[in-house]
Amino acid sequence: GAVVSQHPSRVICKSGTSVKIECRSLDFQATTMFWYRQFPKKSLMLMATSNEGSKATYEQGVEKDKFLINHASLTLSTLTVTSAHPEDSSFYICSASRLAVIEQYFGPGTRLTVT
Amino acid sequence: QKEVEQNSGPLSVPEGAIASLNCTYSDRVSQSFFWYRQYSGKSPELIMSIYSNGDKEDGRFTAQLNKASQYVSLLIRDSQPSDSATYLCAFSRGAGGTSYGKLTFGQGTILTVHP
Repeated sequence: GAVVSQHPSRVICKSGTSVKIECRSLDFQATTMFWYRQFPKKSLMLMATSNEGSKATYEQGVEKDKFLINHASLTLSTLTVTSAHPEDSSFYICSASRLAVIEQYFGPGTRLTVT
Repeated sequence: QKEVEQNSGPLSVPEGAIASLNCTYSDRVSQSFFWYRQYSGKSPELIMSIYSNGDKEDGRFTAQLNKASQYVSLLIRDSQPSDSATYLCAFSRGAGGTSYGKLTFGQGTILTVHP
């Protein structure tokens, strides 16, 4: 159990366009989902925490208007990178956890390249 | 002082040896501790979680936690080349508030197991 999927796994887009990344918990209900980004040879940086049915909580320095997060159901959260720029190129990873369970299970990640 | 510090790598051990990975943390409120393994280009995979002082064993892996010393370690016995990866320690604060479940990651230690 505790399988998390992400789609797409890899995306290349042009500067100025928007990209949507989906995160799904396949075999459990994820009351909380987390979005991270990771630059090469760096650790994971938490961007935001989302709870089903409520607004996401963004970490300091993360622009909420640029990184739109929606957690509409207990199995799906989406991250939309709006007006993407080359500096947004990164590895975006979601994770999910069950109610009252601290362990987080990670999706396989989405590699975004903005040209 | 960084919130989480891992022993500097890279760490190289011969096949069959014990690999020892260490992590110190500064947040005394921390309640839950995790070790994740991340292969190059992939997302993190949870390998151990530990919540109380002492040792916790799972197969070839042993996690050790000392809350008084704010120290958590991971031992990998009979190391295999397939264990070569980046190991990330992470901690989470206890229940309550919006910090529940949020993970803070160390910078990771690269482990190489050579035949």
